[in-house]
Amino acid sequence: EAGVTQSPTHLIKTRGQQATLRCSPISGHTSVYWYQQALGLGLQFLLWYDEGEERNRGNFPPRFSGRQFPNYSSELNVNALELEDSALYLCASSVYRDSYEQYFGPGTRLTVT
Amino acid sequence: AQKVTQAQTEISVVEKEDVTLDCVYETRDTTYYLFWYKQPPSGELVFLIRRNSFDEQNEISGRYSWNFQKSTSSFNFTITASQVVDSAVYFCALNPRSSGSARQLTFGSGTQLTVLP
Repeated sequence: EAGVTQSPTHLIKTRGQQATLRCSPISGHTSVYWYQQALGLGLQFLLWYDEGEERNRGNFPPRFSGRQFPNYSSELNVNALELEDSALYLCASSVYRDSYEQYFGPGTRLTVT
Repeated sequence: AQKVTQAQTEISVVEKEDVTLDCVYETRDTTYYLFWYKQPPSGELVFLIRRNSFDEQNEISGRYSWNFQKSTSSFNFTITASQVVDSAVYFCALNPRSSGSARQLTFGSGTQLTVLP
């Protein structure tokens, strides 16, 4: 069974630009979660999507947004990039909304210069 | 609010030694899940175990064992006879089960384990 996949592996952007990160959950999983792992800040919850709807978001500004498609894949968009957005962005999925076990992808390393 | 504390930032052991990683949590929820994840240098978080708050039975899986003590809000992880391949950052995490909970994992800051040959 294929795990959670994320693309691209690495992304380099300039301050002020927009970044789009993609995630495909494990087949059969309907919930997708996004986490940011920045140096010195640890792993922080960003967004949770389930059945195409945003269910919850962490303490991040509105320029962090995303969506979930009918096939349950998800996209994370970061607008007006700032240097401190440089981080590893991890996507996770779970089997259904009430499941608490999240399986993670390999992450996208975003570097903002 | 939830909080997970991993006081050990870095641990270094010699291969075949036993090592225990500490995890202390805080939550007002009466039911919750606790997790351990491993993050090797590749970056991907690998799920190791999930423990339900009302199941205090300790668990052993091969060289790994977990000691959950609700009375002290601790969920410690022991690796027996450590191997070089165990070198990674280990994260403890908490997820409440209350209705309307956000389903978000609250992570500790992680413990970098280095196993020397």
